[in-house]
Amino acid sequence: GENVEQHPSTLSVQEGDSAVIKCTYSDSASNYFPWYKQELGKRPQLIIDIRSNVGEKKDQRIAVTLNKTAKHFSLHITETQPEDSAVYFCAASGTWGKLIFGQGTTLQVKP
Amino acid sequence: DGGITQSPKYLFRKEGQNVTLSCEQNLNHDAMYWYRQDPGQGLRLIYYSQIVNDFQKGDIAEGYSVSREKKESFPLTVTSAQKNPTAFYLCASSKVLGDGTEAFFGQGTRLTVV
Repeated sequence: GENVEQHPSTLSVQEGDSAVIKCTYSDSASNYFPWYKQELGKRPQLIIDIRSNVGEKKDQRIAVTLNKTAKHFSLHITETQPEDSAVYFCAASGTWGKLIFGQGTTLQVKP
Repeated sequence: DGGITQSPKYLFRKEGQNVTLSCEQNLNHDAMYWYRQDPGQGLRLIYYSQIVNDFQKGDIAEGYSVSREKKESFPLTVTSAQKNPTAFYLCASSKVLGDGTEAFFGQGTRLTVV
């Protein structure tokens, strides 16, 4: 069935370092890959997304890369700041375009 | 102020009772979704709806029911058949159910069975 695997489940970095979160998906027909950030007690919010016709997308300190052949995509955060601390979810579009989410990564940025 | 609203924020239910969670959106979105969030398990899809009067089961639909009588509303009923209903429930909507449209989430309802 449709599945998205996300790693690592927790990630701790020093302020200013980079953080990388990786996801793999099972449905080769998936063509939309968003990333959501959920701060403690708040709703998930979209931070960046990528479509299957693009290999990389960047928005200031965050970037996403996609390898359709290998069916994996990654989130890269550079120059991390304490306010980047949150739970991050990847997702892939499944049948009829519904979103299938990964298990989440708790990122802690230490000052 | 446009958005997607869930109510209540916290809900307590006795075992054996059904309970309904509300989700309303004024974004004119066609598609709506219900997810369940448990620690370490991400967001799991319960039900989704592409259009009024139509909805489909997600990965964990057992013990839940929905209706979509109005475009703006997609209530979720947690029935007594749901074995482990204590969780955080998130409703979302998107412009269409299809290729690459952002999903907007409500603030969630935390359901506790007492």
